Amino acid sequence: GAGVSQSPSNKVTEKGKDVELRCDPISGHTALYWYRQSLGQGLEFLIYFQGNSAPDKSGLPSDRFSAERTGGSVSTLTIQRTQQEDSAVYLCASSLDISGRRALRYEQYFGPGTRLTVT
Amino acid sequence: GENVEQHPSTLSVQEGDSAVIKCTYSDSASNYFPWYKQELGKRPQLIIDIRSNVGEKKDQRIAVTLNKTAKHFSLHITETQPEDSAVYFCAASYYGQNFVFGPGTRLSVLP
Repeated sequence: GAGVSQSPSNKVTEKGKDVELRCDPISGHTALYWYRQSLGQGLEFLIYFQGNSAPDKSGLPSDRFSAERTGGSVSTLTIQRTQQEDSAVYLCASSLDISGRRALRYEQYFGPGTRLTVT
Repeated sequence: GENVEQHPSTLSVQEGDSAVIKCTYSDSASNYFPWYKQELGKRPQLIIDIRSNVGEKKDQRIAVTLNKTAKHFSLHITETQPEDSAVYFCAASYYGQNFVFGPGTRLSVLP
């Protein structure tokens, strides 16, 4: 089946503009994660959604960052008033089910990422 | 919160030799430990994982060992090949929640 998809694949924007990044998780996956990866660096956790529970926003770096997940599927990460330091690859990942401690599958599958460049 | 350290940050081995990457974690409640391989310009791909009720898991040339007491786990790659060259990330998680990743190890396999 289809994997995690993200759009756009590349986004160039001017400093101060708002951007929206989209993630389509694997069908049936209830958990969705956003990460940020700067060039040559590791994975910085931003936010995750699990089913209908309140999202864990503890990784969002500032109030310019927000995310939504509509209908338990597609998610949008919004960055307002972009800054040059926001330039990075934004990765989305999904996993099957973490609602119960007896879940059989915990594996995260990553999308191809959106490369954001703020000029 | 959880903190994951990973060593070494870079590793060069000759083709055919073994490579070992080690991660330590701080939260004893963590119970799921995946390893990801990320090739240049590509997304991270899960290569192997282990749960805390198991001490070792093997998949062909790749193995992961876990020492819960010492709170460390290691990735072992035997008979390395040039296509194993990539950045490898470890992570720790509690029942598939709150994944915390290590900073990564850049592995170079020299022909």
